[in-house]
Formats: sequence, C-alpha cells, structure tokens
Amino acid sequence: GAVVSQHPSRVICKSGTSVKIECRSLDFQATTMFWYRQFPKQSLMLMATSNEGSKATYEQGVEKDKFLINHASLTLSTLTVTSAHPEDSSFYICSVRDRGGEQYFGPGTRLTVT
Amino acid sequence: GQNIDQPTEMTATEGAIVQINCTYQTSGFNGLFWYQQHAGEAPTFLSYNVLDGLEEKGRFSSFLSRSKGYSYLLLKELQMKDSASYLCAVRDDGNNRKLIWGLGTSLAVNP
Repeated sequence: GAVVSQHPSRVICKSGTSVKIECRSLDFQATTMFWYRQFPKQSLMLMATSNEGSKATYEQGVEKDKFLINHASLTLSTLTVTSAHPEDSSFYICSVRDRGGEQYFGPGTRLTVT
Repeated sequence: GQNIDQPTEMTATEGAIVQINCTYQTSGFNGLFWYQQHAGEAPTFLSYNVLDGLEEKGRFSSFLSRSKGYSYLLLKELQMKDSASYLCAVRDDGNNRKLIWGLGTSLAVNP
C-alpha cells in the first residue's frame, strides 16, 4: 500500500499565527489527496479534497480562506491554517487514494493553539 | 441524507469473538471500508467490501449485504492490542468518490 507522511507530527502555536502542515505520498503519485480533521472522541470529518494542479474542493462549512490547500505536485499537498484560534486545535490527517480506490492515511498532525 | 450507524462502545474478553455492526443509508454506494484507529493515531485500513458476502483476512472478516445496507466486522481470537476504535465508511459514487464515515465503535478488550 501507499506510504504517506505528514510533517510536523505535533505543533503548538499562538493564537493569530498561521501553521502549515505537509502531506507527502512517498511511493505513489497521488492525483487526489484528502484532508480530514478529527476532534477528540469524534469521527473523521472531511475538510477538503485536494486535486493536483487545480483548486481544492471544500466541504460545506469549511472556510477556504482559513484553510488554504496547495497540491502543487503529485507527491505533496499542504494545508495552511491561517490566523489559528484555540477552536482550531484538532488532529489533522491527510490521506491519498490509490488507483484501486483504497485510501491510506498519514500519521496525523496534532495542532494545539494557545 | 447520508447516515452510517454503528454502536458507540463494545467490550469483549481476550480470546473471544466480537462482531461490530454497521448500517448505512447513503445516496450512492461504491464500496464499504473498515478501518482501525488506536488513540492518537491515524486510521489503518482493515477491509473493503463492494460485493455481497464475506471477506476473510486472518483474524478479521467483513461481511456486506447491499440490499440490507448492512455490514459487520468480525474479530476472532481477540488480543489486548485489538482495543481500538473501529470505523465503518461508505464510499459514494460521485466524482470524488469520497468516504462517508461512521462515528466509530470503541472496542475494549479485557483480560
């Protein structure tokens, strides 16, 4: 299966700053990557679908100006949380989908906004 | 609307068998997935069903009935490390074929 990495694994930032999270597909060229958010004891919530070379498709209720997604290459997608606030503290997970339709997840990034 | 139901919590004993059920009502269907997620970690893929029937993979098996909108994950010979959350997800048949997630079943395996 595909190997997916995320960086950083944990980040603490101050309210009002921006944080960039990288998602890399290490052994597979991913035309589509997904970004999820998960609050404690809740299920995964899809934030957006990231397509290489085009604009991301955001789910209803997700602010595209706050959560900037760039999928500049077939192996890298980035999620930038702009002007972060404490309520943005969450577990952010990316995943890639292979040609067979299976989704593989990165290890996640734990964001804490103080 | 889209709806996926699974029990919130289950407990079982080490060495036993446990069945985790999932029912779904979705506008489209292009496969059902089961994922395992340990606390603080990302989900890991367990199984995929797109046709009716049972798929067996080691200690884990998954069953699907499309006419009933029903699936189950069967875990045999339970081990302590199987304590985790088990997520049921249905892939829709839209352009992006995104996954629709259940809330997960938290399984506690006791000695």
